Amino acid sequence: DGGITQSPKYLFRKEGQNVTLSCEQNLNHDAMYWYRQDPGQGLRLIYYSQIVNDFQKGDIAEGYSVSREKKESFPLTVTSAQKNPTAFYLCASSMPFGTSGTNPQYFGPGTRLLVL
Amino acid sequence: GENVEQHPSTLSVQEGDSAVIKCTYSDSASNYFPWYKQELGKRPQLIIDIRSNVGEKKDQRIAVTLNKTAKHFSLHITETQPEDSAVYFCAASEPWGSSNTGKLIFGQGTTLQVKP
Repeated sequence: DGGITQSPKYLFRKEGQNVTLSCEQNLNHDAMYWYRQDPGQGLRLIYYSQIVNDFQKGDIAEGYSVSREKKESFPLTVTSAQKNPTAFYLCASSMPFGTSGTNPQYFGPGTRLLVL
Repeated sequence: GENVEQHPSTLSVQEGDSAVIKCTYSDSASNYFPWYKQELGKRPQLIIDIRSNVGEKKDQRIAVTLNKTAKHFSLHITETQPEDSAVYFCAASEPWGSSNTGKLIFGQGTTLQVKP
């Protein structure tokens, strides 16, 4: 877990503003993920990337965008199209699928996004 | 796609008692089942996981059992302590293949309270 960092810890968004959440890992993991967690709820997948320069939509991708230009970094942009962005955002990473199956995901400390 | 249901949503036990949390999954091809513990305001932390070729796995006071026929798996915590109080999430991994990517599908979480 210590190898995944997220910044900032808290982020405030004004109406109509795009904001970007940072996620960096030094675990040499190929796969990275973004989840949204609402109070008292489970984790919902926003986007994921299994390799540099490639990413896929998760279950709630509308209003969000990502890029994966480097193996270590997977930033998430919350656009103005996301009308209810207040949530706890968690980034995770894992080794790619291997001969033994899916590998564990490890989470960063999270970013709490609030709307002004 | 995969669907994971988790029960109960809340669980209160006396210190020293055992706690059991159950999850069911829908896709018989799912092959990896991790459990995460999340303390208030913190990141989810992997506490134990099991693969579909194993029926039970133990790590000190925690154990996970898997029944592939019934498509359910359970987390068992023995000799509970106040520091076990947290939200616990189960997850199931979609199988890897041409249309699936091994991503994790999470249950809704169980809030465990251990009373001293």
